[in-house]
Amino acid sequence: EVQLLESGGGLVQPGGSLRLSCAASGFTITTYAMTWVRQTPGKGLEWVSSISTANTYYSDSVKGRFTISRDSSKNTLYLQMNSLRAGDTAVYYCAKDLLVGAYFYMDVWGKGTTVTVSS
Amino acid sequence: DIQMTQSPSSVSASVGDRVTITCRASQGISSYLAWYQQKPGKAPNLLIYAASNLESGVPSRFSGSGSGTDFTLTISSLQPEDFATYYCQHANSFPLTFGGGTKVEIK
Repeated sequence: EVQLLESGGGLVQPGGSLRLSCAASGFTITTYAMTWVRQTPGKGLEWVSSISTANTYYSDSVKGRFTISRDSSKNTLYLQMNSLRAGDTAVYYCAKDLLVGAYFYMDVWGKGTTVTVSS
Repeated sequence: DIQMTQSPSSVSASVGDRVTITCRASQGISSYLAWYQQKPGKAPNLLIYAASNLESGVPSRFSGSGSGTDFTLTISSLQPEDFATYYCQHANSFPLTFGGGTKVEIK
């Protein structure tokens, strides 16, 4: 079964750092584009970052502060988040692309991990 | 950036009703559009991709149409398990953006 499991969320002070992990099973993570999406409580969905075989992409709100990467040996996707702000508080989901290549239709999602940025 | 505008923001409907949700892109996105369903406390679930392709395992009462800037998601006969929030998302270019969501509520 294809699954994604996020971890690494928690409470962090403004200016702090966190690294989110997304462990994949049932497929090879380097075969598909992968994406991080976040959702503020009670609000809508916001794209954060994506990685394809050749490129990485970031929203303007996180560019220069967040870094997406993946480790093929661990079949795991990461999101390194630095200089965190209150506005980064959200549930963070990782998601897998539906199709091989880079189409960015997301067919498998993790359950999400909560990041709270507060002093 | 491409803005995605959904309407209505909420709709009250009864079981068996036909429900149509629209999504408008601020510029043409060809057919690079997906629709997701999200229930409270759960991750989104892909329903439709490439504007009109039904994702595997999704009931046939869901359908999508449109191209360019105007898109629709139709639920032909609303079922109890369909009460949820629906989002469109374009995949035309970066940044990817989602619509604001449409909450389908019980009438």
